[in-house]
Amino acid sequence: GAGVSQTPSNKVTEKGKYVELRCDPISGHTALYWYRQSLGQGPEFLIYFQGTGAADDSGLPNDRFFAVRPEGSVSTLKIQRTERGDSAVYLCASSDGAGVPYEQYFGPGTRLTVT
Amino acid sequence: AQSVSQHNHHVILSEAASLELGCNYSYGGTVNLFWYVQYPGQHLQLLLKYFSGDPLVKGIKGFEAEFIKSKFSFNLRKPSVQWSDTAEYFCAVNGMDSNYQLIWGAGTKLIIKP
Repeated sequence: GAGVSQTPSNKVTEKGKYVELRCDPISGHTALYWYRQSLGQGPEFLIYFQGTGAADDSGLPNDRFFAVRPEGSVSTLKIQRTERGDSAVYLCASSDGAGVPYEQYFGPGTRLTVT
Repeated sequence: AQSVSQHNHHVILSEAASLELGCNYSYGGTVNLFWYVQYPGQHLQLLLKYFSGDPLVKGIKGFEAEFIKSKFSFNLRKPSVQWSDTAEYFCAVNGMDSNYQLIWGAGTKLIIKP
């Protein structure tokens, strides 16, 4: 079946602009996660959704970052007033339950470059 | 805060060599441990995981890892690598505050020379 998909695959934007990154999880997966991966680092947790609600947004770096999942499927990560330090690969993952032993399945990521 | 250390950022081996990639974590309580792999141009995928029971875990493609609680380690091993094992390998842990939030190491880039 289809895996997790993310669009766009690449996004270049100017400092100060607003961007939206989209994640389509595996059909039926109730849990959805966003991670950010900077160059030379492992992924860093941003936010976790169980259904439509953000169960844990403790990883969002500041209030410029926001994510929604209005119908419990597709999620959008929104970044306002982008800064050069926001440049990274943004990864989305989904699982068919939360916690162990549910495996997180990852998408290909969106590479965001802020110029 | 919980952290994960992967000691080698780059490893270069010849085909048929044995592999061991180190992973150490900082939390002393109950943990769940994972190794993920990212092949060139592909997304992250699970290689193997440890939740409980036998500390020697076998994963896909001939990989295994051993959980040594006293050393806070979960090293990845493969007796004989192939060129197709060229990839980046990530160790991840959860357990301290959350059973879903993964804490990741910085990754090890493995290059296998044919």
